[in-house]
Amino acid sequence: DSGVTQTPKHLITATGQRVTLRCSPRSGDLSVYWYQQSLDQGLQFLIQYYNGEERAKGNILERFSAQQFPDLHSELNLSSLELGDSALYFCASSQTSGESTDTQYFGPGTRLTVL
Amino acid sequence: AQTVTQSQPEMSVQEAETVTLSCTYDTSESDYYLFWYKQPPSRQMILVIRQEAYKQQNATENRFSVNFQKAAKSFSLKISDSQLGDAAMYFCAYRSDYGGSQGNLIFGKGTKLSVKP
Repeated sequence: DSGVTQTPKHLITATGQRVTLRCSPRSGDLSVYWYQQSLDQGLQFLIQYYNGEERAKGNILERFSAQQFPDLHSELNLSSLELGDSALYFCASSQTSGESTDTQYFGPGTRLTVL
Repeated sequence: AQTVTQSQPEMSVQEAETVTLSCTYDTSESDYYLFWYKQPPSRQMILVIRQEAYKQQNATENRFSVNFQKAAKSFSLKISDSQLGDAAMYFCAYRSDYGGSQGNLIFGKGTKLSVKP
């Protein structure tokens, strides 16, 4: 157990809908990263938050957004869902903003299926 | 932009034997970190081992060790005394050492390792 929690484990929804994925980082970690794992794209970085502020953006679609709350948990919002958004979404956390010996620990992931 | 390549989509090893998974990367940076993550059928991403680019000594964690060749931009993972529980997807990952906006991981496509009893 990495100490990173994600809910829900599974999510099944229809095209055009909106969903929210939740992540709680390990105790003491200030950074949260979101990654998407799909068969065709592999593991891709979406976005990073550090202590409540957006720190870095990767290949995140405009239909997707995220935030990190004062208690450091994070939510990833996916809207106007398409079939191609079906994937495993991971949250990872680390102590700092990505400096030096920082290591990311992953949550168990949320499996999103868009029908 | 940095890239990570794992040229072996699948590998197989006999239980108790040794296997080496390959990884190469492309970067113009001199300071960075390299990682191997394991993803078993449960889909959990588990950190196996980490290597700092400024360290010449290869990292070792129990039965797992790496062969880091900085000039060749190569970072292979050796698993000794393979066990059935080692069967998983293995991902090689790169991270810059410039902090802040460069803190994310860049992953290879993965190598699926099977362990035969």
